[in-house]
Amino acid sequence: EAGVTQFPSHSVIEKGQTVTLRCDPISGHDNLYWYRRVMGKEIKFLLHFVKESKQDESGMPNNRFLAERTGGTYSTLKVQPAELEDSGVYFCASSHLTGDETQYFGPGTRLLVL
Amino acid sequence: QQQVKQSPQSLIVQKGGISIINCAYENTAFDYFPWYQQFPGKGPALLIAIRPDVSEKKEGRFTISFNKSAKQFSLHIMDSQPGDSATYFCAASRGYTGNQFYFGTGTSLTVIP
Repeated sequence: EAGVTQFPSHSVIEKGQTVTLRCDPISGHDNLYWYRRVMGKEIKFLLHFVKESKQDESGMPNNRFLAERTGGTYSTLKVQPAELEDSGVYFCASSHLTGDETQYFGPGTRLLVL
Repeated sequence: QQQVKQSPQSLIVQKGGISIINCAYENTAFDYFPWYQQFPGKGPALLIAIRPDVSEKKEGRFTISFNKSAKQFSLHIMDSQPGDSATYFCAASRGYTGNQFYFGTGTSLTVIP
C-alpha cells in the first residue's frame, strides 16, 4: 500500500509570492488533514477534510491559506501571498473514516519564505 | 495555548540505556494518546498508542506509561539503540477517528554507540 505523498518536498519562495502544496492520501482514506510545524514548535493542526468537505478548518492561520480537495482525492494547500512567518514544514496526513484512529503522515513539504 | 507539553527537548542516551520522554495534558476529554517517531527527511510514523483505560502498554522495547489522575504519560525506550535516534512526538486527541491531534513540541533523541 502506497503511503501519503506530498509535493514538492522543498519550496523556497520570496515574500509575496504564491505557493501551492499538494497531498495525495492513502487510497481509500476519506479523512485528510493538514498540519504545520514551525521550527522548534509543535506540529499544529490546520484543517481536516472528510472526502471533499471541510470538516474543521479552525487551525487555518488566516485567509491567505486556501485548502481544497476536489473529488475527495488529493488535496492542495495554497498560500497567497506568502509571508515570512509561513515558513515551516507542512504535513499532510490521512486516515480511515471509521475504526482505526491512526493518522498516516506524509514526508512533509519544507517551505522557506525569504 | 499548547494543549500537550513535552519534555525534554533533547535527550542523549548511551546504547543499552533507557530513554524516557514525558508529556502532560490538560484537557480531560482527551482519550487517545499516540506517540510518533520521525526520522530525518521522513514524516512522523505511529510508534505506539494508548487509551486511558490502561496504565501501561508495551510493544517490544517501547512502553507507554499513563497516569490519568496526573494527566501525564511517558514513553520508555528500553535497551536504546543507535537506530532509535529520531525525533519523538507525543500527541493527544478525543479518540475517535477524524479528530485533530494535539502534538507536543518533540524530543530529539540521540543514542550514542
